[in-house]
Amino acid sequence: DGGITQSPKYLFRKEGQNVTLSCEQNLNHDAMYWYRQDPGQGLRLIYYSQIVNDFQKGDIAEGYSVSREKKESFPLTVTSAQKNPTAFYLCASSLESPTNYGYTFGSGTRLTVV
Amino acid sequence: QKEVEQDPGPLSVPEGAIVSLNCTYSNSAFQYFMWYRQYSRKGPELLMYTYSSGNKEDGRFTAQVDKSSKYISLFIRDSQPSDSATYLCAMRANTGNQFYFGTGTSLTVIP
Repeated sequence: DGGITQSPKYLFRKEGQNVTLSCEQNLNHDAMYWYRQDPGQGLRLIYYSQIVNDFQKGDIAEGYSVSREKKESFPLTVTSAQKNPTAFYLCASSLESPTNYGYTFGSGTRLTVV
Repeated sequence: QKEVEQDPGPLSVPEGAIVSLNCTYSNSAFQYFMWYRQYSRKGPELLMYTYSSGNKEDGRFTAQVDKSSKYISLFIRDSQPSDSATYLCAMRANTGNQFYFGTGTSLTVIP
């Protein structure tokens, strides 16, 4: 079945550590996105990529980094510069960008700072 | 002012009720409107998609867009306990890459 796989489902980070969240899709979609979801704030765009080896900052890119070396993969690194990283992170993809048909989302990674 | 406003609820209704979920927005350039359903600890899934104004029906779900009032609605008829979830609206302009999401409305349908 085609879809988006995010791993791990739960992740714990110590203060000062960098962590990387994985996102893989087998939908043959060109565009991929990372969103952060916090209670009462809705989904906020961190980064997006319309094509391999290219990506753009979203509204809250500070403290995050991404790469897009393969069409199928769009990992997100949460760096120690991100002061409040505890959140639910969602990866999404679309056939093209901009899309008129919405996103396919993964099941999310819940990151907690300990 | 947020681009998209959505009452977070929570909303609790008895099984079989008609549910009305709403979003308002400030950007008159928004043309593409979507509703997503998100179960607890899961990613959102696309429910309905509409372009510009008008109504769209899919089974028990009806999406309405009123661009003159900058107001969109999702109606759920004959609500079921399995409809219990958070419902997110999302929208974008013709020229933009980005969808703007509401905060989500939490719905519980009581058997």
